[in-house]
Amino acid sequence: DVVMTQSPLSLPVTLRQPASISCRSSQSLVFSDGNTYLNWFQQRPGQSPRRLIYKVYKRDSGVPDRFSGSGSGTEFTLKISRVEAEDVGVYYCMQGTHWPPYTFGQGTKLEI
Amino acid sequence: EVQLVESGGDLVQPGGSLRLSCAASGFFFNTYWMSWVRQIPGKGLEWVASINEDGNQKYYVDSVKGRFTISRDNAKNSLYLQVDSLRAEDTAIYYCARWFSHDTGYGDYWGQGTLVTVSS
Repeated sequence: DVVMTQSPLSLPVTLRQPASISCRSSQSLVFSDGNTYLNWFQQRPGQSPRRLIYKVYKRDSGVPDRFSGSGSGTEFTLKISRVEAEDVGVYYCMQGTHWPPYTFGQGTKLEI
Repeated sequence: EVQLVESGGDLVQPGGSLRLSCAASGFFFNTYWMSWVRQIPGKGLEWVASINEDGNQKYYVDSVKGRFTISRDNAKNSLYLQVDSLRAEDTAIYYCARWFSHDTGYGDYWGQGTLVTVSS
């Protein structure tokens, strides 16, 4: 199984300052079709997960452009250019290249 | 608007069974893989099972193989998870998710979840 390792697991941030979360996979996430199936999800307190980013850097509709994804191979990053109060929650990376099983990172708790 | 609404969660004794349901609307249900993902309250996300568009491919996490069965009824735009031989460690919120299409990738919409509690 592919292990997804996030860091840090806890991220204290200051409003309107940048934040960055790292996700490392135990194998390259490049699929045979050339795509890299790496997602980022946000889970606000008391809510369901919401997808922010798919295929490494593609932003979902309605996601503020302060969120960006980057990376390749086994190293990926989610960046928030200026943290807002509504960004508080837990962020998860997930791989969809080597399945089953699909695997998630442990989660990074972002708090202000 | 895409909507996924789960139901069927309950308090059940160890060894018991439940059938979880997910009613889908707002998209062409029969053109997407669908999945169940669970979350122990306060913990992380764990993929449980996936099913392809016509229901003839099913995949499970090892810990539920032989105990859980994923199915779908495209005529009713519904996804199901039959959970049998329940254990305390199956206690979790179970989310239904629109899982995959080549255009939209994985996991673009999730329901609000249904809570399964396994306890005597």
